[in-house]
Amino acid sequence: RKEVEQDPGPFNVPEGATVAFNCTYSNSASQSFFWYRQDCRKEPKLLMSVYSSGNEDGRFTAQLNRASQYISLLIRDSKLSDSATYLCVVNMNTGFQKLVFGTGTRLLVSP
Amino acid sequence: EAQVTQNPRYLITVTGKKLTVTCSQNMNHEYMSWYRQDPGLGLRQIYYSMNVEVTDKGDVPEGYKVSRKEKRNFPLILESPSPNQTSLYFCASRQTAFPYNEQFFGPGTRLTVL
Repeated sequence: RKEVEQDPGPFNVPEGATVAFNCTYSNSASQSFFWYRQDCRKEPKLLMSVYSSGNEDGRFTAQLNRASQYISLLIRDSKLSDSATYLCVVNMNTGFQKLVFGTGTRLLVSP
Repeated sequence: EAQVTQNPRYLITVTGKKLTVTCSQNMNHEYMSWYRQDPGLGLRQIYYSMNVEVTDKGDVPEGYKVSRKEKRNFPLILESPSPNQTSLYFCASRQTAFPYNEQFFGPGTRLTVL
């Protein structure tokens, strides 16, 4: 089993739609989780951090389910500018606090 | 402005010709690392450094070297590049204290080895 797994997509949605991505992780000891956004082979940038059960920032909501070992990202009222690849990142809680990146889920928002 | 810089941004070279990709951060972060990104494989860690003179292998260290002589700099060295090292490379830095917040990435170096 991969340490962090994501559905690669692409998810094609119209503007205004609500879309959700899931990410599963293998290490039950993981304590911190992140969603990063990456545009067209540019550098990843932090979208949200998730330390407890969830986090909300405007149209974006991240939820954590420790029992099932997955995190989700919900985007409401999708905008064209939301088109990007979303990377799920898990802190493996090892001695050197290794971050493991999922391969990303691609989102395409169309007019 | 808080940032991670990398140079060069684009590089085309030939097999066996030694090269160095520089990385510098101005946020006084202890932790720095190098990743490569390949289609379908995501970001894979090459090397990381917890602090000056402390480096260790990541998941794909073969063919690479690093050094951390100063806190702000973390160069990536390819002693004898090969075509399978053609990739997009990112340098990153972050603080090490909990909560382990944002990891900042450099703009990337697109390397082609012929």
